Amino acid sequence: EVRLVESGGRVVLPGGSLRLSCAASGFTFDDYTMHWVRQVPGKGLEWVSHISWNGNSAYYADSVKGRFTVSRDNSNNSVFLQMDSLKSDDTAVYFCARSLLAPAYLDFWGQGTLVTVSS
Amino acid sequence: EIVLTQSPSTLSLSPGERATLSCRASRSLSSQYLAWYQQKVGQPHTLLIYDTSKRATGIPDRFSGTGSGTDFTLTIARLEPEDFAVYYCQQYDTSPLTFGGGAKVEIK
Repeated sequence: EVRLVESGGRVVLPGGSLRLSCAASGFTFDDYTMHWVRQVPGKGLEWVSHISWNGNSAYYADSVKGRFTVSRDNSNNSVFLQMDSLKSDDTAVYFCARSLLAPAYLDFWGQGTLVTVSS
Repeated sequence: EIVLTQSPSTLSLSPGERATLSCRASRSLSSQYLAWYQQKVGQPHTLLIYDTSKRATGIPDRFSGTGSGTDFTLTIARLEPEDFAVYYCQQYDTSPLTFGGGAKVEIK
């Protein structure tokens, strides 16, 4: 069974940092590009970042470029999102998802982890 | 970036009825790289359709996708109780990936 389980979301102060994790299981992790997508509760979806299967390439939305860093550990089937200089606009549920290529459709998603940036 | 506009934002229908959801792109998707997802409360997003019209694994044939250029449609032939949810379109024709604003199919 394919599983993607996000963790690390919590309340953080503006300007603070947070590291999200996504643990994958049930598939050959290093066959896939991994994505982070976020959703403000009750609103639409915004692609945030993706990282290639080997970690050699990473791409970011303009809204997070220079503040967020995506990485992966293929030996532990995990992908991470380091979030620095957080703003209130970053408040959202963060989902990890996979695709075979990029850009591409996302064929499996996790359930998400909530990040709240607030003083 | 390509902006996707979904309409209507809410569709009120009864079980057994046909649902037609529209997704319009701000410029042509030359490769017709458009996908549809279903979101239910407390559940991961589910891929329904990719490449405009291909059903994902395990998706019932009451779901179908059509379209080309800038206009795309998701049709649910006969609504089942489990189909009442929010639906999103997404383009992967051009980076960055972008999503439509969503369309809620609710019980009338």
